[in-house]
Amino acid sequence: EPEVTQTPSHQVTQMGQEVILRCVPISNHLYFYWYRQILGQKVEFLVSFYNNEISEKSEIFDDQFSVERPDGSNFTLKIRSTKLEDSAMYFCASSPGPLGYGYTFGSGTRLTVV
Amino acid sequence: DAKTTQPNSMESNEEEPVHLPCNHSTISGTDYIHWYRQLPSQGPEYVIHGLTSNVNNRMASLAIAEDRKSSTLILHRATLRDAAVYYCILRPSYNTDKLIFGTGTRLQVFP
Repeated sequence: EPEVTQTPSHQVTQMGQEVILRCVPISNHLYFYWYRQILGQKVEFLVSFYNNEISEKSEIFDDQFSVERPDGSNFTLKIRSTKLEDSAMYFCASSPGPLGYGYTFGSGTRLTVV
Repeated sequence: DAKTTQPNSMESNEEEPVHLPCNHSTISGTDYIHWYRQLPSQGPEYVIHGLTSNVNNRMASLAIAEDRKSSTLILHRATLRDAAVYYCILRPSYNTDKLIFGTGTRLQVFP
């Protein structure tokens, strides 16, 4: 069964450093998403991306965050200057279409900011 | 955003059916009902979704009340691998594509 692949599985970074989280969505999917889950809390929406642009973002997704689809296969989330409160599991997801379709999520990247 | 209400936790024995309820009394006519689950230390996993009619797939069945104010996810024979947090999520069919996760129902399955 096709999978969404995320790398790395665990990233440790110092506060203030930039991190890039990488995702390879399912190849024929057109809609891409990032979610995060702080330990012990709910899964939270960050951003959705379609046709090479952001279609929706949450209040969490401020100027420190950016997304990019640099080529036909990768989808990245960049955090410019990490804070301690950015420590969380970050999940990438993709979907073949909007709204009426289910998402496929990756296994996540655990980001630890020290 | 439309809200759902689920029990915090449920228990089942292996190989027994499990009925996971969800109330969504403020559902609008165009909201899809989605179910996802999250196994320990993993990302959410799509289970099933529906609009008005009951739905079946290889993982589960979804029974939707006639007035759509509630739904039930049915696992026909629970296995240990089904132990997870199950999320019932309303997904509007217009103007937003995000999933809003609640706290879900933690399902424990006993051998």
